[in-house]
Amino acid sequence: EAGVTQSPTHLIKTRGQQATLRCSPISGHTSVYWYQQALGLGLQFLLWYDEGEERNRGNFPPRFSGRQFPNYSSELNVNALELEDSALYLCASSKGGREFAYNEQFFGPGTRLTVL
Amino acid sequence: KNQVEQSPQSLIILEGKNCTLQCNYTVSPFSNLRWYKQDTGRGPVSLTIMTFSENTKSNGRYTATLDADTKQSSLHITASQLSDSASYICVVSANVDDKIIFGKGTRLHILP
Repeated sequence: EAGVTQSPTHLIKTRGQQATLRCSPISGHTSVYWYQQALGLGLQFLLWYDEGEERNRGNFPPRFSGRQFPNYSSELNVNALELEDSALYLCASSKGGREFAYNEQFFGPGTRLTVL
Repeated sequence: KNQVEQSPQSLIILEGKNCTLQCNYTVSPFSNLRWYKQDTGRGPVSLTIMTFSENTKSNGRYTATLDADTKQSSLHITASQLSDSASYICVVSANVDDKIIFGKGTRLHILP
C-alpha cells in the first residue's frame, strides 16, 4: 500500500512569491492535515481538510491556505512568502469520520521550503 | 495553557544500551498520547498510542508508559540500535476544540 506522498521534495522561492505544495493521501483516507516544522521547533498544526471541506485551522495568517480535491488530494498555498516561512511542511492523512483527536495520522516525507 | 514538554532535548548513548525519554503535558481534557519517531528529513512514524485507561504499550523494543494522574509519559528503548538515531516526538490530543499538541522532540544519537 502506497503511503502519503508529497511534492515537490524541495522548493526554493524568494520573499514575496507564492508557493504551492501538494499532497496525496493514502488510498481510502479522506482527511488531510498540514503541518509546519521550522528548524528547532515542534510541529505546528496548519490545516485540516476532510471530505473536501476545511474542518479546522491553526494559528497561522490567512496567506496560508489550501484546498482538498474530490480525489482527496490536497494543496497548500502560501502567499507573500516571508523568510520565516522556511520550514519542512508535512502532510498527513487519516481515515475520516472520527474526531480529530482520535484519528491516527500517517505522515508523508515532507516538502522542504526555503525562502531567500 | 496546553503544553507538551519533552526531556532531555538531546541524548547520546552507545549502541546496545537502554534509554528513557520523558514527556510531561498539561493538555486538558486528555484524549490520547502518541509517540512518533522522525528520521532526519522524513515524516514522523507512529510508534505507540495510549488512551486514558492504558498505562503501558509496547512496540518491539519500544515501550511507552502513561501516568494520567501526574500527566507524564515515558518512552523506553531497549537494546538500542544505530537505526534508533532519530527525533522522538510526544503528541497529546485533547477531547475538545480539535487540539493536538506536539512536543519539540528529543533528538537521540546512537553511537557504535
